[in-house]
Amino acid sequence: EPEVTQTPSHQVTQMGQEVILRCVPISNHLYFYWYRQILGQKVEFLVSFYNNEISEKSEIFDDQFSVERPDGSNFTLKIRSTKLEDSAMYFCASNEVRHRLYEQYFGPGTRLTVT
Amino acid sequence: GQQLNQSPQSMFIQEGEDVSMNCTSSSIFNTWLWYKQDPGEGPVLLIALYKAGELTSNGRLTAQFGITRKDSFLNISASIPSDVGIYFCAGQNWIQGAQKLVFGQGTRLTINP
Repeated sequence: EPEVTQTPSHQVTQMGQEVILRCVPISNHLYFYWYRQILGQKVEFLVSFYNNEISEKSEIFDDQFSVERPDGSNFTLKIRSTKLEDSAMYFCASNEVRHRLYEQYFGPGTRLTVT
Repeated sequence: GQQLNQSPQSMFIQEGEDVSMNCTSSSIFNTWLWYKQDPGEGPVLLIALYKAGELTSNGRLTAQFGITRKDSFLNISASIPSDVGIYFCAGQNWIQGAQKLVFGQGTRLTINP
């Protein structure tokens, strides 16, 4: 069964450094999302992406964050200058246009640790 | 903003028992989804609900979408050890384009063998 994949599984970075988190959504999906989950807390929406542009972003998704679909398969989240409070699990999700229209499928996540 | 409240926050049960958890919202959602999350992994979709009053089953899982579109419950029958994890409800309003999910804070299920 097709799955959303994410790399790396764990990223450790120093405060102020740039990180890029990578996702490969399910191949026939056209809507893409990033969520984050701080340890022990609920999953929070960051940004949605469709037709090569951002559809919606949360107040968490400030100017330090950006997303890109550089080719036909990858979807990336960049944090330009990481802060300690960016430490969290970051999940990519996607859903298709037809059939299971509303069902978002999540990747396994990238654990980001900012030191 | 929109918030979902899940209860209970945690449950400790014996293997074989039935489980019931629910989720309420102050605002209406067009779609409700239930996810399960194991430690260190991403949420896995269990059930999606699209219509008010809808009752849907997936194996030992049953979920219902409240008539008012402001609540939902999830039942697990005859619990087994692999049911351990955190269960999240999520609401969505599909209007046009990509639409975010709003998550509850989760119900942590622990099963004593």
